[in-house]
Amino acid sequence: AQTVTQSQPEMSVQEAETVTLSCTYDTSENNYYLFWYKQPPSRQMILVIRQEAYKQQNATENRFSVNFQKAAKSFSLKISDSQLGDTAMYFCAFTFGGSEKLVFGKGTKLTVNP
Amino acid sequence: DTAVSQTPKYLVTQMGNDKSIKCEQNLGHDTMYWYKQDSKKFLKIMFSYNNKELIINETVPNRFSPKSPDKAHLNLHINSLELGDSAVYFCASSPRTGGPGELFFGEGSRLTVL
Repeated sequence: AQTVTQSQPEMSVQEAETVTLSCTYDTSENNYYLFWYKQPPSRQMILVIRQEAYKQQNATENRFSVNFQKAAKSFSLKISDSQLGDTAMYFCAFTFGGSEKLVFGKGTKLTVNP
Repeated sequence: DTAVSQTPKYLVTQMGNDKSIKCEQNLGHDTMYWYKQDSKKFLKIMFSYNNKELIINETVPNRFSPKSPDKAHLNLHINSLELGDSAVYFCASSPRTGGPGELFFGEGSRLTVL
């Protein structure tokens, strides 16, 4: 069974600083995909970034980047130059090729302080 | 235009009642989902439909019955509501061609059972 673990229930960071959110996963699949979703107080889930397991290069989307360590089954999210609008729950998620199911971690609540 | 819209956004009802949540997507996606987010923010898949056909049915009580009249709509009907059904229910859709896991979520429907 696939599992996703986020070990940090809550984190806080000062505006303009950098923060890293941790995620580990467990799977025996070779062809899989990892995601970070953001859920702001408005409740709507928004895709932040995705990573295909077969790609060695870490994905980057503007201020968001990942550190994908396939052997360690680790997939952390780095947010640079944090902004107040980054305050949200962040969910790490996993799926594998051919599956319709996205498995989520329990989330990390990030607060960006002014 | 909202891409994935759910109605109602808030629903308060008594135990034992029957209620429905509607979902519509205007993205032309083939696959739609229902996810449940409990009070601890844990997100778990309930159902997945692909072009009106049921693909995933997790271990959800049969009091929950999804209905997909066409591929743009996936409604959730819940019979004999129980206190434990209180949660936020998210509808989502996926283009599939964009790769697994790229879900587009609605804003969620908060169900409170008294």
